[in-house]
Amino acid sequence: GQNIDQPTEMTATEGAIVQINCTYQTSGFNGLFWYQQHAGEAPTFLSYNVLDGLEEKGRFSSFLSRSKGYSYLLLKELQMKDSASYLCAVADSDYKLSFGAGTTVTVRA
Amino acid sequence: IAGITQAPTSQILAAGRRMTLRCTQDMRHNAMYWYRQDLGLGLRLIHYSNTAGTTGKGEVPDGYSVSRANTDDFPLTLASAVPSQTSVYFCASSESGGNTGELFFGEGSRLTVL
Repeated sequence: GQNIDQPTEMTATEGAIVQINCTYQTSGFNGLFWYQQHAGEAPTFLSYNVLDGLEEKGRFSSFLSRSKGYSYLLLKELQMKDSASYLCAVADSDYKLSFGAGTTVTVRA
Repeated sequence: IAGITQAPTSQILAAGRRMTLRCTQDMRHNAMYWYRQDLGLGLRLIHYSNTAGTTGKGEVPDGYSVSRANTDDFPLTLASAVPSQTSVYFCASSESGGNTGELFFGEGSRLTVL
């Protein structure tokens, strides 16, 4: 099975940087995903890491350390529209995704 | 451009009734999934199908059944609904078992069982 932990809530100011950590313990690993979910909407894909290191995509970056069972999502130059839940998910040996409970990020003006 | 369509969007159901949530995708994806999302628990996998004609159990399959008669459709059935099945249900698909790095989600079906 999978055990995925991430903080419940984070608050940051517009224009700032926020780092959302995710730790996991899995019985198989085929990659780590981050999804964004605005209230009342479906999750949408943000990033995918399968090798150690940093993946950068515009204002969002994601890091993975497989040996430590650790990932983070870095949101830079925060905008009000970034207020959402961010879901960490791990793919098992059969590529099925297990999700953490999500981190709600609130961006304040 | 539809992607994944779920129906109904919202439903209130009496306990003990049978309910089928419909899911249709037009992306010709091989794999499809049903998740439920509850506050504080995140998304939990109910059932999945890696290809038409096959299904498998996820983390929380009890009380639910699925079928995959063709590539496009993946209905979820609650044979006899109970209040603990009150949740938001998301259908999702991926090209090939999720290893392309992206699940595509439907807009969700909010189910309330009284």
